Amino acid sequence: EVQLVQSGAEVKKPGESLKISCECSGYTFSNYWIAWVRQKPGQGLEWMGIIYPGDSDTRYSPSFEGQVTISADKSINTAYLQWSSLKASDTAMYYCARHSSAGSHYNWIDPWGQGTLVTVSS
Amino acid sequence: DIVMTQSPDSLAVPLGERATISCKSSQSVLYRSNNRNYLAWYQQKPGQPPNLLIYWASTRESGVPDRFSGSGSGTDFTLTISSVQAEDVAVYYCQQYYTTPPYAFGQGTKLEIK
Repeated sequence: EVQLVQSGAEVKKPGESLKISCECSGYTFSNYWIAWVRQKPGQGLEWMGIIYPGDSDTRYSPSFEGQVTISADKSINTAYLQWSSLKASDTAMYYCARHSSAGSHYNWIDPWGQGTLVTVSS
Repeated sequence: DIVMTQSPDSLAVPLGERATISCKSSQSVLYRSNNRNYLAWYQQKPGQPPNLLIYWASTRESGVPDRFSGSGSGTDFTLTISSVQAEDVAVYYCQQYYTTPPYAFGQGTKLEIK
């Protein structure tokens, strides 16, 4: 069974750094693109970016380029989303999800992780 | 970048009645070489991550009840729930996966029971 298990909720102060994780199992991690999606409280889904763990090829939405860093560690089947300096506006639920077909991101995303709630408040 | 626009933003439907949600893309998501529409629908219930319902605009994911159907081509798409059940209360999103990223989502449509 394909599973994506995300790290737990975080409470941070503005200006702090953070790295959240998405541990993947049940398939060959290197061969599938992983997406990150943001959902602010009470709002819709925002596509942030994707990474291909096989070679760390990464694509970002223009809205998130330079604001976050997506990475992956093939040795432990884990993808990451990190911030160097959090803002209050980063408060949101963050989901990782796997693209459905090996080697391509021109397909739907399924399954999804359970989400990591990030709260940034002074 | 492709922009996805859903309508309505919310709708209330009596139990057992039909619900129809529209999704329009700012440019075609039909890839003519394989005649496939690069569009998916997701359902998100309160407190849960999104769940895939439909891909290729009209192919139902395994395990999804057959009261859910997707239709449309090019730039205009529809998600239909033929007979709304209480467990269908959720927010529904369309997403294109046609062009190079970003793979935009629609803004979501909230379904409630009247």
